[in-house]
Amino acid sequence: EPEVTQTPSHQVTQMGQEVILRCVPISNHLYFYWYRQILGQKVEFLVSFYNNEISEKSEIFDDQFSVERPDGSNFTLKIRSTKLEDSAMYFCASRDPGNIQYFGAGTRLSVL
Amino acid sequence: GENVEQHPSTLSVQEGDSAVIKCTYSDSASNYFPWYKQELGKRPQLIIDIRSNVGEKKDQRIAVTLNKTAKHFSLHITETQPEDSAVYFCAASRQGNNDMRFGAGTRLTVKP
Repeated sequence: EPEVTQTPSHQVTQMGQEVILRCVPISNHLYFYWYRQILGQKVEFLVSFYNNEISEKSEIFDDQFSVERPDGSNFTLKIRSTKLEDSAMYFCASRDPGNIQYFGAGTRLSVL
Repeated sequence: GENVEQHPSTLSVQEGDSAVIKCTYSDSASNYFPWYKQELGKRPQLIIDIRSNVGEKKDQRIAVTLNKTAKHFSLHITETQPEDSAVYFCAASRQGNNDMRFGAGTRLTVKP
């Protein structure tokens, strides 16, 4: 069964550094998402992406964040200058034509 | 924007009993309501969803009901088993809208 894949599974970085989280959505899906889940809290929507542009973004997705689809398979989330409070699990998801979203296994970001 | 409230935050039941988790939403235009199960350290996985043209949907031991007038929907798990233990998240969105909002989650514990 096809699934959304994310790399790395765990990223450790120093405060102020840039990080790029990578995702490969399911191949025939057209809508892609990033979510954040701080430890023990709810899943929070960050951004959605369709047709090579941002479709919607939440109040969390400020100028420090950006997304890109650099080629036909990858979908990336960049955090320009990480803060301690960016430490969380980041999930990528892609959506099938029936509106069902499938989540990747997540990248745990630890900002020291 | 959409606001989803979920309760209870924790729920403990004996194996074989039923469990009910309830969610309310604020945006009357929301018409797609998925439920995700998240085991510890794992990705959220869709277990059932319901669209606004349906009042109830059932899949084996899991059922979801939707009351559009009251803007609430519920997850029902019958004959619970220890492997049902997980955090369950409800969510709401408008179909075609890319901003899916999650509830805060319910930690379900099924005691053998």
